Amino acid sequence: DIQMTQSPSSLSASVGDRVTITCQASQDISNYLSWYQQKPGKGPKLLIYDASKFETGVPSRFSASGSGAHFTFTISSLQPDDIATYYCQQYDNLPRTFGQGTKVEIK
Amino acid sequence: QVQLVESGGGVAQPGRSLTLSCAASGFTFNTYAMSWVRQAPGKGLEWVALISYDGNNKYYADSVKGRFTISRDNSKNTVYLQMNSLRPEDTAVFYCARDLVSYGSGRQFRHWGQGTLVTVSS
Repeated sequence: DIQMTQSPSSLSASVGDRVTITCQASQDISNYLSWYQQKPGKGPKLLIYDASKFETGVPSRFSASGSGAHFTFTISSLQPDDIATYYCQQYDNLPRTFGQGTKVEIK
Repeated sequence: QVQLVESGGGVAQPGRSLTLSCAASGFTFNTYAMSWVRQAPGKGLEWVALISYDGNNKYYADSVKGRFTISRDNSKNTVYLQMNSLRPEDTAVFYCARDLVSYGSGRQFRHWGQGTLVTVSS
């Protein structure tokens, strides 16, 4: 199975701060990576797929990049509505696997 | 709009069975692969099972292989998860999720239900 390692597991930042989350795959997964946002009590929401393609309606303050085994997800200016847990997920192979999540909080 | 509504969760004793259902609407159900993803309390997401758009191909996580069965009824726009030999570690919110694209292979999950809680406890 492909292991997905996210860091950090949690972070606290101020409104307006730049926030970056990294996701490392245990092997080359090309660009077969998605990012999800999950708010408490809700199902996840797909934000980005194919490592850097945006779902419709995703705010422009979000961005993502990477290929191979190393990926990053960035919020350029953290907003209160961004408080959530973020997950990466690979779909190069079965089983589909997720990172352990990064909980983003406001300082 | 796309809606996925899970049902069938509840409390089950270890070793017993439960069947989850996910009723879909707002899209052409028989052209999309469907998956089940679970989340143990306070934990991350774990992919459980995937069924192709036509039901001919099914895939499972090792943790549930041989105990869980995914199926679908395209005439009822519903996907199921039959869970046998339940264990305490199966306690989780179970989400059904729809593929990003039609005739895809269950890679990216564009739409999710609200989830149904399964608790396995004696």
